[in-house]
Amino acid sequence: KNEVEQSPQNLTAQEGEFITINCSYSVGISALHWLQQHPGGGIVSLFMLSSGKKKHGRLIATINIQEKHSSLHITASHPRDSAVYICAALLGAQKLVFGQGTRLTINP
Amino acid sequence: DGGITQSPKYLFRKEGQNVTLSCEQNLNHDAMYWYRQDPGQGLRLIYYSQIVNDFQKGDIAEGYSVSREKKESFPLTVTSAQKNPTAFYLCASSSQYNSPLHFGNGTRLTVT
Repeated sequence: KNEVEQSPQNLTAQEGEFITINCSYSVGISALHWLQQHPGGGIVSLFMLSSGKKKHGRLIATINIQEKHSSLHITASHPRDSAVYICAALLGAQKLVFGQGTRLTINP
Repeated sequence: DGGITQSPKYLFRKEGQNVTLSCEQNLNHDAMYWYRQDPGQGLRLIYYSQIVNDFQKGDIAEGYSVSREKKESFPLTVTSAQKNPTAFYLCASSSQYNSPLHFGNGTRLTVT
């Protein structure tokens, strides 16, 4: 079992829908990253959080340390949000463990 | 604009040849990382460096080598000892361990 598990692996939705991607981890972490990978392969860091909630535009990331769970939400989804979303858990000082990614497709 | 540049975007090599992937950053970041991405798997750490002239093996360092002679540059050599070198390689940097990562656009290596 991976230390970081994402669900779902694939998600297809219609434009405008509210999207939730989940990330669960099995060990204690010092921070959690949410990343976005576009079809060309480049990766952009969306959030890094260690508690509570962060918001940037239509994106919201939450983390529950006790439950070892984080969610990424997208409000009013748009086709340009189509990408692979990756969570990565920072274990201790240096080790980042990545989830397998969630492939999101938003249809117009 | 500051960022990380990986080159080339696509690279083709014959089996048995060593190949070096370039990674340059102008973000003044101390830490740099090399990751490998295979279909259906999460990114895996190959090597990382926290400071010039120092680097550590990651989870899958066998068959790879790196150098960190300058703060801005962290090239990765895929040697002939790497059994399955065909993959997508991503370079990243951060100002310190607990800060956001900045990624390059990746190099897709195909070895035949």
